[in-house]
Amino acid sequence: AQSVTQPDIHITVSEGASLELRCNYSYGATPYLFWYVQSPGQGLQLLLKYFSGDTLVQGIKGFEAEFKRSQSSFNLRKPSVHWSDAAEYFCVFNTGTASKLTFGTGTRLQVTL
Amino acid sequence: ETGVTQSPTHLIKTRGQQVTLRCSSQSGHNTVSWYQQALGQGPQFIFQYYREEENGRGNFPPRFSGLQFPNYSSELNVNALELDDSALYLCASSLDRAGYNEQFFGPGTRLTVL
Repeated sequence: AQSVTQPDIHITVSEGASLELRCNYSYGATPYLFWYVQSPGQGLQLLLKYFSGDTLVQGIKGFEAEFKRSQSSFNLRKPSVHWSDAAEYFCVFNTGTASKLTFGTGTRLQVTL
Repeated sequence: ETGVTQSPTHLIKTRGQQVTLRCSSQSGHNTVSWYQQALGQGPQFIFQYYREEENGRGNFPPRFSGLQFPNYSSELNVNALELDDSALYLCASSLDRAGYNEQFFGPGTRLTVL
């Protein structure tokens, strides 16, 4: 079955600290992978995406993610978190042959000052 | 460039009623997808419309139906509302139906079923 898993429901980091949000997928081939962020009162916004090629992808707001085929992972990282990064983060999966996006359950990020 | 808009913002209905939610896609986009996001969950794919035809459907019953108009705006209709239909309904538009295209999301319609 095709699926995406975010093992961490809630993460708290201090402002200025580094961040890594975990994402694992289950699929027989290389999927299209995305990270979206949802802030209170805001719509879902795309941070970055991976289809092929360079396994380290850069996104907006200083985020990056690394695709690791051997681990079926696509973890999101940021070297220094800002208080405005507090939000819900979703790892999202698409097989590339279908149109639907499959969302993980999300990780809620809290940033302490 | 106008982004994806949805109406209404909030809606309260009672069980058994019917509801219509509306979505205007971003300029130049011919594909609209609808998602249901229950509280504390990730969005779940309902269906997608491409050039006025349904192009894929998730695991939702037939009482969830939709339309796409020639200007590529879209409606989501839900009949015989149930309490579990209470959720945030998100609309997303994309340039076309290819999976690699970014889907741009609207702010959503919060539906409460009493």
